[in-house]
Amino acid sequence: DVNLVESGGGLGQPGRSLRLSCVASGFIFDDYALHWVRQAPGKGLEWVAGVSWNSGTIGYADSVKGRFTISRDNAKNSVYLQMNGLRPEDTAFYYCAKSTDSYLEVAADYYFDFWGQGTLVTVSS
Amino acid sequence: SFELTQPPSVSVSPGQTARITCSGDTLPKLYAYWYQQRPGQAPVVVIYKDSERPSGIPERFSGSSSGTEATLTISGVQAEDEADYYCQSSHTTDPYVVFGGGTKLTVL
Repeated sequence: DVNLVESGGGLGQPGRSLRLSCVASGFIFDDYALHWVRQAPGKGLEWVAGVSWNSGTIGYADSVKGRFTISRDNAKNSVYLQMNGLRPEDTAFYYCAKSTDSYLEVAADYYFDFWGQGTLVTVSS
Repeated sequence: SFELTQPPSVSVSPGQTARITCSGDTLPKLYAYWYQQRPGQAPVVVIYKDSERPSGIPERFSGSSSGTEATLTISGVQAEDEADYYCQSSHTTDPYVVFGGGTKLTVL
């Protein structure tokens, strides 16, 4: 069975940093792109960032560009989200999601077939 | 910026048909995908590539797309279908992925 397990959430102060991790199992990890999607409490889904199978292509939402960094370690079946310069509006559940494609491309047809259970990030002083 | 527009809420009685729409300018060229999210749970895809249903998803879930609008149809709605539903598509430029604002389906 495919399994994605996020960790690293918690309370972060405005302007400080947090690092989220996601460990995957049950599929060939380096065959697929991985993404982070967040959901503020009571709000909708927001795509945050994605990384292609070989880290050759990386993309970010405008809301986090320049502050967040996505990376992956295929040897450890893991994807990470380094969150710097935290803001209160970054408060959300952060989900790790597996793509149906290896690549990260514009105008491409892929979706998220497996999701983790999420980790909560709260940004507050 | 590119957006996918969904109605905030849809209400139906058990056994009726629920239709949830998703509007976006790139939908004539790109597929729509639909996710169901129950409270406290991660999203689950119920329709992919406009109208394909993953294994394990009940047959009462179907999808269609015409022009700039995609539609998720749930026939014979059951109480367990009460959830939030999100459409998703990709974009012709950065950012790569866009979600609709979500529709809360209430089963009366």
